[in-house]
Amino acid sequence: QVQLVQSGTEVKKPGASVKVSCKASGYTFTSYGITWVRQAPGQGLEWMGWISAYNGNTNYAQKLPGRVTMTTDTSTSTAYMELRSLRSDDTAVYYCARVSDDDYNQKIDYWGQGTLVTVSS
Amino acid sequence: DIQMTQSPSSLSASVGDRVTITCRASQGISNFLAWFQQKPGKAPKSLIYAASSLQSGVPSKFSGSGSGTDFTLTISSLQPEDFATYYCQQYNSFPYTFGQGTKLEIK
Repeated sequence: QVQLVQSGTEVKKPGASVKVSCKASGYTFTSYGITWVRQAPGQGLEWMGWISAYNGNTNYAQKLPGRVTMTTDTSTSTAYMELRSLRSDDTAVYYCARVSDDDYNQKIDYWGQGTLVTVSS
Repeated sequence: DIQMTQSPSSLSASVGDRVTITCRASQGISNFLAWFQQKPGKAPKSLIYAASSLQSGVPSKFSGSGSGTDFTLTISSLQPEDFATYYCQQYNSFPYTFGQGTKLEIK
């Protein structure tokens, strides 16, 4: 069965960086993409970007200019999301999700369990 | 960016009821519209893609319709496990955007 297992809770200080991992199993990793979605406490869902696990193509939300990098390691079927220059409003649960591997119109099917990132001095 | 507006923001219903949630896009998105269910403290669950196609394993009590700018999610015969928050998402053009959510509560 398809599973996406994310890394554990993180507590960071403002200005620091965080790297969240998402290990995939139960399917051919390079046949799909991974998208990252975050949810601030009590708020809705926010799309952060997408990466193709096949060729590494990416598309990032403009709201995170230059602060986010998404990568994959096909040898371990793991996707990573790094967010730099953390601010208090980056405090959120970060989700990875599997998407169809198209350059456009990627639909989500499976979700990871989420990783809480808290940014506090 | 395409704005997605859901209505209502919250909804009270009883077990056994049939409810409909609406999602409107600020510009046409063809049928690139998905619906998700989220329960407190849990990850979202994918319900519908391409406006009306059920994800694998999702019961047929959930149905979606629409194209262009106006979409609906209908849940028939509500059961206690259906009370949750529902989100729509457009994946027609980057950045993909979500609606603000509709909280479905037990009356």
